[in-house]
Amino acid sequence: AQSVTQPDIHITVSEGASLELRCNYSYGATPYLFWYVQSPGQGLQLLLKYFSGDTLVQGIKGFEAEFKRSQSSFNLRKPSVHWSDAAEYFCAVGRAGNMLTFGGGTRLMVKP
Amino acid sequence: NAGVTQTPKFQVLKTGQSMTLQCAQDMNHEYMSWYRQDPGMGLRLIHYSVGAGITDQGEVPNGYNVSRSTTEDFPLRLLSAAPSQTSVYFCASSGQGLVKNIQYFGAGTRLSVL
Repeated sequence: AQSVTQPDIHITVSEGASLELRCNYSYGATPYLFWYVQSPGQGLQLLLKYFSGDTLVQGIKGFEAEFKRSQSSFNLRKPSVHWSDAAEYFCAVGRAGNMLTFGGGTRLMVKP
Repeated sequence: NAGVTQTPKFQVLKTGQSMTLQCAQDMNHEYMSWYRQDPGMGLRLIHYSVGAGITDQGEVPNGYNVSRSTTEDFPLRLLSAAPSQTSVYFCASSGQGLVKNIQYFGAGTRLSVL
């Protein structure tokens, strides 16, 4: 069965600092990988996705993620965090149909 | 273009009551899903549908019922509400082909069962 682990429940960074959110997955084949962001009281918005090809993918809002097959990881990065990035971030894995499995989420807080 | 619309946004039920959470999408998507979100557990799939008249169970289907009579609508029914069903519920839809795994989410329904 597929699973997703986000080891960090909470992360606090200063505005302007770099960010890396960790995601590890377990899946028997090459997975489809996603990062979603959820602002308070809102639904989920897709940040970026990996299906195949280039292992470094670019998303919206200046985010990027790198797929590392050897480490079963798909970490999300941003070089300079803005206060508006404070939200909860979810990593997800999927393959067939729309069966997505989500990690538990990482809540990001940004210090001024 | 409204995307995925969920109603109501908030609901309080008493144990044993039944209700239906509504979900509608206007993107002509074949795939629709219901998830529940609980703290620290991310989103868990309740039921999903790959087209009108076709539904299947996800990870946590017990206590919920779905049907898909049209492409646009995918209601979720709570048959006899229990406090364990207190959660935030999200409906999602996705298209066909390679993009079928790109899911678009509604704003959610926050449900409390007393």
